[in-house]
Amino acid sequence: GAVVSQHPSWVICKSGTSVKIECRSLDFQATTMFWYRQFPKQSLMLMATSNEGSKATYEQGVEKDKFLINHASLTLSTLTVTSAHPEDSSFYICSHNSGLRGGTQYFGPGTRLTVL
Amino acid sequence: TQLLEQSPQFLSIQEGENLTVYCNSSSVFSSLQWYRQEPGEGPVLLVTVVTGGEVKKLKRLTFQFGDARKDSSLHITAAQPGDTGLYLCAGRAGGTSYGKLTFGQGTILTVHP
Repeated sequence: GAVVSQHPSWVICKSGTSVKIECRSLDFQATTMFWYRQFPKQSLMLMATSNEGSKATYEQGVEKDKFLINHASLTLSTLTVTSAHPEDSSFYICSHNSGLRGGTQYFGPGTRLTVL
Repeated sequence: TQLLEQSPQFLSIQEGENLTVYCNSSSVFSSLQWYRQEPGEGPVLLVTVVTGGEVKKLKRLTFQFGDARKDSSLHITAAQPGDTGLYLCAGRAGGTSYGKLTFGQGTILTVHP
């Protein structure tokens, strides 16, 4: 299957600072990537769809000015959590479609964000 | 908005037992995927089903897609402690292989030795 990497794998920051999370597609040119958020023992919640060369599409209730998404190339999408607060602490996961029949989606290993 | 109802939410069983996890919806999905996730890691794809009535087997795991493509099940035979994890079903609506997935609530499976 496709390989998706994320960096960093975990980050601890102070309240009020901004944190950037990178998502790379290592063997697939992804015009679209997806960013999810996951709380402990819960399912994944789609935050936004990242589109290469254009604006991201955000899900209802997700603040686009707080969660900045940039998809500058076919292999890299970034999520920046601006002015982070403790309630932003979560597990952030990116993914992309494989292009295979059925639309199999491959996920990155996730980034654990802890805001103090 | 398509919804996927996944049940049970929690499952705690002994090694050797069988179990079934269900995903149900009132909507039709063009495909449905099952993932397994371990703590601190991303979901790992187990299977994708695309045809109504389709049955796929992966060792002790059997996946079924309903005839109407509105529901799916995952059956594990003779569960082992290594099967412990969060199981997620996810469906894709519409006629394409692109676009966002709708996730079920997840099933936390614990298999005791």
